[in-house]
Amino acid sequence: AQSVAQPEDQVNVAEGNPLTVKCTYSVSGNPYLFWYVQYPNRGLQFLLKYITGDNLVKGSYGFEAEFNKSQTSFHLKKPSALVSDSALYFCAVRGLSGNTPLVFGKGTRLSVIA
Amino acid sequence: DSGVTQTPKHLITATGQRVTLRCSPRSGDLSVYWYQQSLDQGLQFLIQYYNGEERAKGNILERFSAQQFPDLHSELNLSSLELGDSALYFCASSVADEQFFGPGTRLTVL
Repeated sequence: AQSVAQPEDQVNVAEGNPLTVKCTYSVSGNPYLFWYVQYPNRGLQFLLKYITGDNLVKGSYGFEAEFNKSQTSFHLKKPSALVSDSALYFCAVRGLSGNTPLVFGKGTRLSVIA
Repeated sequence: DSGVTQTPKHLITATGQRVTLRCSPRSGDLSVYWYQQSLDQGLQFLIQYYNGEERAKGNILERFSAQQFPDLHSELNLSSLELGDSALYFCASSVADEQFFGPGTRLTVL
């Protein structure tokens, strides 16, 4: 069975500092990994995905994620945090074929402090 | 705006009642997924339909059912509601890898 773990419930970072939101995964076979963001009273918005290829994936709003197969990790990063990045971030994994459900982590709440 | 619409935005009802949540996927997307987000369970997959047929089932209770109609919109029916069913219910649609989520329906069971 596939699963993802987000070890931190909350991450606090000062505006302008780099941020990292951690995610580790457990899958059989090649992982298909995603990051989504949820702003208050909104649905989930897609940030980026890793299917294959470069280990560093660039996504929306200046976010990127680094896929590390040996550490089974897919951490979300941004070089310089903005107050508007404050939100709930979800890591997710899906099955081997397209059009299959996502399995989400529990989410990490990011607070960027001015 | 993801292009996925859900109605209603909010729903307040009593225990034992039945409600229907509606989802319209993005134009051309054949897959519709339903997810439940609650404080204690997090974000959980309930059920998926693909072009009118049930494709996958997750942690969906027997009191819950869904269907996808010929125009590809989907409905999630929740019956014999309990307090613990209070949650945010999301619908998503996809073509392949990326799922696009609607704004959700917040269900409150009193």
